[in-house]
Amino acid sequence: DVKVTQSSRYLVKRTGEKVFLECVQDMDHENMFWYRQDPGLGLRLIYFSYDVKMKEKGDIPEGYSVSREKKERFSLILESASTNQTSMYLCASSYGNSGNTGELFFGEGSRLTVL
Amino acid sequence: GEDVEQSLFLSVREGDSSVINCTYTDSSSTYLYWYKQEPGAGLQLLTYIFSNMDMKQDQRLTVLLNKKDKHLSLRIADTQTGDSAIYFCAERSGNNRLAFGKGNQVVVIP
Repeated sequence: DVKVTQSSRYLVKRTGEKVFLECVQDMDHENMFWYRQDPGLGLRLIYFSYDVKMKEKGDIPEGYSVSREKKERFSLILESASTNQTSMYLCASSYGNSGNTGELFFGEGSRLTVL
Repeated sequence: GEDVEQSLFLSVREGDSSVINCTYTDSSSTYLYWYKQEPGAGLQLLTYIFSNMDMKQDQRLTVLLNKKDKHLSLRIADTQTGDSAIYFCAERSGNNRLAFGKGNQVVVIP
Protein backbone atom coordinates (compact mmCIF):
# COMPACT_ATOMS: atom_id res chain seq x y z
CA ASP A 1 0.00 0.00 0.00
CA VAL A 2 1.40 3.38 -1.02
CA LYS A 3 2.36 5.70 1.78
CA VAL A 4 3.32 9.33 2.19
CA THR A 5 4.10 10.12 5.80
CA GLN A 6 4.32 13.58 7.28
CA SER A 7 6.18 13.59 10.57
CA SER A 8 3.97 15.99 12.51
CA ARG A 9 0.18 16.27 12.31
CA TYR A 10 -0.02 19.34 14.54
CA LEU A 11 2.62 21.92 15.44
CA VAL A 12 2.49 25.16 17.37
CA LYS A 13 5.44 27.52 16.96
CA ARG A 14 6.28 31.08 17.89
CA THR A 15 6.98 33.90 15.46
CA GLY A 16 10.63 33.85 14.40
CA GLU A 17 11.23 30.18 15.15
CA LYS A 18 12.73 27.87 12.54
CA VAL A 19 10.33 25.13 11.52
CA PHE A 20 11.03 21.83 9.77
CA LEU A 21 8.25 19.82 8.17
CA GLU A 22 9.35 16.36 7.10
CA CYS A 23 7.81 14.13 4.47
CA VAL A 24 8.79 10.57 3.56
CA GLN A 25 7.39 8.38 0.78
CA ASP A 26 7.94 4.66 0.33
CA MET A 27 6.98 4.35 -3.35
CA ASP A 28 10.33 5.24 -4.92
CA HIS A 29 8.70 8.26 -6.54
CA GLU A 30 10.88 10.76 -8.35
CA ASN A 31 8.61 13.77 -7.84
CA MET A 32 7.75 15.34 -4.51
CA PHE A 33 5.69 18.44 -3.75
CA TRP A 34 4.79 20.75 -0.89
CA TYR A 35 1.43 22.54 -0.93
CA ARG A 36 -0.31 24.73 1.58
CA GLN A 37 -4.07 24.63 1.96
CA ASP A 38 -6.08 27.60 3.20
CA PRO A 39 -9.87 28.03 3.34
CA GLY A 40 -11.18 29.65 0.18
CA LEU A 41 -7.78 29.49 -1.51
CA GLY A 42 -7.50 25.78 -2.21
CA LEU A 43 -4.07 24.20 -2.64
CA ARG A 44 -1.14 26.36 -3.60
CA LEU A 45 2.20 24.92 -4.64
CA ILE A 46 5.17 26.07 -2.57
CA TYR A 47 8.09 24.00 -3.90
CA PHE A 48 8.61 20.77 -5.78
CA SER A 49 11.43 18.43 -6.68
CA TYR A 50 11.91 16.11 -9.65
CA ASP A 51 14.98 14.36 -8.31
CA VAL A 52 17.42 14.19 -5.44
CA LYS A 53 19.09 17.55 -4.75
CA MET A 54 16.83 19.25 -7.29
CA LYS A 55 14.25 21.82 -6.33
CA GLU A 56 11.96 24.18 -8.19
CA LYS A 57 9.91 27.10 -6.94
CA GLY A 58 6.19 26.76 -7.06
CA ASP A 59 3.66 29.57 -7.00
CA ILE A 60 4.28 30.84 -3.45
CA PRO A 61 7.91 30.06 -2.44
CA GLU A 62 8.56 33.23 -0.45
CA GLY A 63 9.43 32.53 3.18
CA TYR A 64 10.10 28.84 2.53
CA SER A 65 12.99 26.63 1.48
CA VAL A 66 13.26 22.89 0.85
CA SER A 67 15.76 20.10 1.04
CA ARG A 68 15.89 16.80 -0.87
CA GLU A 69 19.03 14.93 0.17
CA LYS A 70 17.48 11.49 -0.31
CA LYS A 71 14.94 10.34 -2.86
CA GLU A 72 12.36 9.34 -0.28
CA ARG A 73 12.52 12.48 1.87
CA PHE A 74 11.46 16.05 1.10
CA SER A 75 11.68 18.65 3.85
CA LEU A 76 10.00 22.04 4.00
CA ILE A 77 11.79 24.69 6.04
CA LEU A 78 10.43 27.93 7.42
CA GLU A 79 13.56 29.89 8.34
CA SER A 80 11.68 32.40 10.50
CA ALA A 81 8.03 31.51 10.98
CA SER A 82 5.43 34.26 10.72
CA THR A 83 1.75 34.29 11.64
CA ASN A 84 0.70 34.35 7.98
CA GLN A 85 2.31 30.93 7.59
CA THR A 86 -0.32 29.41 9.85
CA SER A 87 -1.84 26.83 7.54
CA MET A 88 -2.30 23.18 6.62
CA TYR A 89 0.75 21.86 4.78
CA LEU A 90 0.35 18.91 2.44
CA CYS A 91 3.15 16.82 1.00
CA ALA A 92 2.62 14.74 -2.15
CA SER A 93 4.62 12.50 -4.45
CA SER A 94 4.27 11.02 -7.93
CA TYR A 95 6.10 8.92 -10.48
CA GLY A 96 8.49 10.79 -12.71
CA ASN A 97 7.64 9.02 -15.95
CA SER A 98 5.61 11.42 -18.08
CA GLY A 99 3.79 8.45 -19.61
CA ASN A 100 1.89 7.74 -16.43
CA THR A 101 -1.32 9.37 -15.20
CA GLY A 102 0.49 11.87 -13.01
CA GLU A 103 -1.54 10.94 -9.96
CA LEU A 104 -0.36 12.62 -6.77
CA PHE A 105 -0.30 10.65 -3.53
CA PHE A 106 -0.82 12.86 -0.51
CA GLY A 107 0.18 12.68 3.11
CA GLU A 108 -2.30 13.37 5.91
CA GLY A 109 -1.18 16.95 6.30
CA SER A 110 0.62 18.99 8.97
CA ARG A 111 -1.38 21.73 10.62
CA LEU A 112 0.97 24.52 11.68
CA THR A 113 -0.06 27.34 13.99
CA VAL A 114 2.34 30.27 14.41
CA LEU A 115 1.66 32.43 17.45
CA GLY B 1 -0.32 29.83 -15.99
CA GLU B 2 -3.01 27.32 -15.14
CA ASP B 3 -6.11 28.50 -13.35
CA VAL B 4 -8.83 26.18 -12.09
CA GLU B 5 -12.17 27.52 -10.86
CA GLN B 6 -14.78 25.79 -8.68
CA SER B 7 -17.83 26.90 -6.76
CA LEU B 8 -17.39 26.59 -3.00
CA PHE B 9 -20.37 24.86 -1.42
CA LEU B 10 -23.07 22.32 -2.22
CA SER B 11 -25.65 20.67 0.02
CA VAL B 12 -27.55 17.62 -1.14
CA ARG B 13 -30.04 15.19 0.36
CA GLU B 14 -28.99 11.59 0.87
CA GLY B 15 -30.01 9.50 -2.13
CA ASP B 16 -30.06 12.44 -4.55
CA SER B 17 -27.45 13.06 -7.21
CA SER B 18 -24.84 15.75 -6.74
CA VAL B 19 -22.99 17.56 -9.49
CA ILE B 20 -19.79 19.51 -8.97
CA ASN B 21 -18.44 21.73 -11.71
CA CYS B 22 -15.02 23.04 -12.56
CA THR B 23 -13.50 25.18 -15.28
CA TYR B 24 -9.86 25.21 -16.26
CA THR B 25 -7.74 27.36 -18.52
CA ASP B 26 -4.92 25.27 -19.93
CA SER B 27 -6.05 23.73 -23.22
CA SER B 28 -2.93 21.56 -23.30
CA SER B 29 -3.91 19.68 -20.13
CA THR B 30 -3.35 15.96 -20.61
CA TYR B 31 -5.19 14.64 -17.58
CA LEU B 32 -7.89 16.08 -15.35
CA TYR B 33 -8.62 14.76 -11.90
CA TRP B 34 -11.10 14.74 -9.08
CA TYR B 35 -9.72 14.43 -5.58
CA LYS B 36 -11.66 13.96 -2.34
CA GLN B 37 -10.60 15.27 1.06
CA GLU B 38 -12.37 13.98 4.14
CA PRO B 39 -12.16 15.95 7.40
CA GLY B 40 -8.68 15.93 8.92
CA ALA B 41 -7.15 13.94 6.08
CA GLY B 42 -5.07 14.45 2.97
CA LEU B 43 -6.42 14.29 -0.55
CA GLN B 44 -7.25 11.00 -2.23
CA LEU B 45 -7.69 10.49 -5.94
CA LEU B 46 -11.30 9.68 -6.80
CA THR B 47 -11.04 9.45 -10.55
CA TYR B 48 -9.31 10.98 -13.54
CA ILE B 49 -10.03 11.45 -17.23
CA PHE B 50 -7.65 11.66 -20.14
CA SER B 51 -8.06 14.71 -22.31
CA ASN B 52 -9.12 12.75 -25.41
CA MET B 53 -12.19 11.38 -23.59
CA ASP B 54 -15.59 13.01 -23.16
CA MET B 55 -16.94 10.86 -20.39
CA LYS B 56 -15.82 8.33 -17.84
CA GLN B 57 -18.05 6.28 -15.58
CA ASP B 58 -16.87 4.48 -12.47
CA GLN B 59 -19.64 2.98 -10.33
CA ARG B 60 -21.53 5.94 -8.82
CA LEU B 61 -19.19 8.50 -10.36
CA THR B 62 -19.56 10.05 -13.81
CA VAL B 63 -17.01 12.52 -15.14
CA LEU B 64 -17.87 14.71 -18.10
CA LEU B 65 -15.27 16.71 -19.99
CA ASN B 66 -16.09 19.50 -22.42
CA LYS B 67 -12.78 20.48 -23.95
CA LYS B 68 -14.27 23.24 -26.08
CA ASP B 69 -15.56 25.07 -22.99
CA LYS B 70 -12.76 23.77 -20.71
CA HIS B 71 -15.41 22.46 -18.34
CA LEU B 72 -15.18 19.40 -16.13
CA SER B 73 -17.95 17.98 -13.97
CA LEU B 74 -18.33 15.19 -11.45
CA ARG B 75 -21.70 13.57 -10.86
CA ILE B 76 -22.19 11.39 -7.80
CA ALA B 77 -25.28 9.19 -8.05
CA ASP B 78 -27.20 8.10 -4.93
CA THR B 79 -25.18 10.43 -2.70
CA GLN B 80 -24.42 8.96 0.72
CA THR B 81 -23.35 10.53 4.01
CA GLY B 82 -19.83 9.17 3.44
CA ASP B 83 -19.62 11.42 0.37
CA SER B 84 -19.55 14.52 2.60
CA ALA B 85 -16.11 16.00 1.90
CA ILE B 86 -14.26 18.67 -0.02
CA TYR B 87 -13.81 17.86 -3.70
CA PHE B 88 -10.98 19.32 -5.72
CA CYS B 89 -10.57 19.27 -9.46
CA ALA B 90 -7.07 19.49 -10.87
CA GLU B 91 -5.42 19.68 -14.24
CA ARG B 92 -2.06 18.35 -15.33
CA SER B 93 0.02 20.23 -17.82
CA GLY B 94 3.11 19.13 -19.69
CA ASN B 95 5.53 19.74 -16.84
CA ASN B 96 3.98 17.12 -14.53
CA ARG B 97 2.66 19.77 -12.18
CA LEU B 98 -0.94 19.72 -11.06
CA ALA B 99 -2.98 22.90 -10.61
CA PHE B 100 -5.87 22.57 -8.16
CA GLY B 101 -9.15 24.40 -7.85
CA LYS B 102 -10.21 26.00 -4.57
CA GLY B 103 -12.36 23.01 -3.67
CA ASN B 104 -16.06 22.41 -3.31
CA GLN B 105 -17.49 21.47 0.09
CA VAL B 106 -20.27 18.90 -0.28
CA VAL B 107 -22.57 18.37 2.69
CA VAL B 108 -24.95 15.42 2.54
CA ILE B 109 -28.12 15.86 4.57
CA PRO B 110 -29.57 12.59 5.93
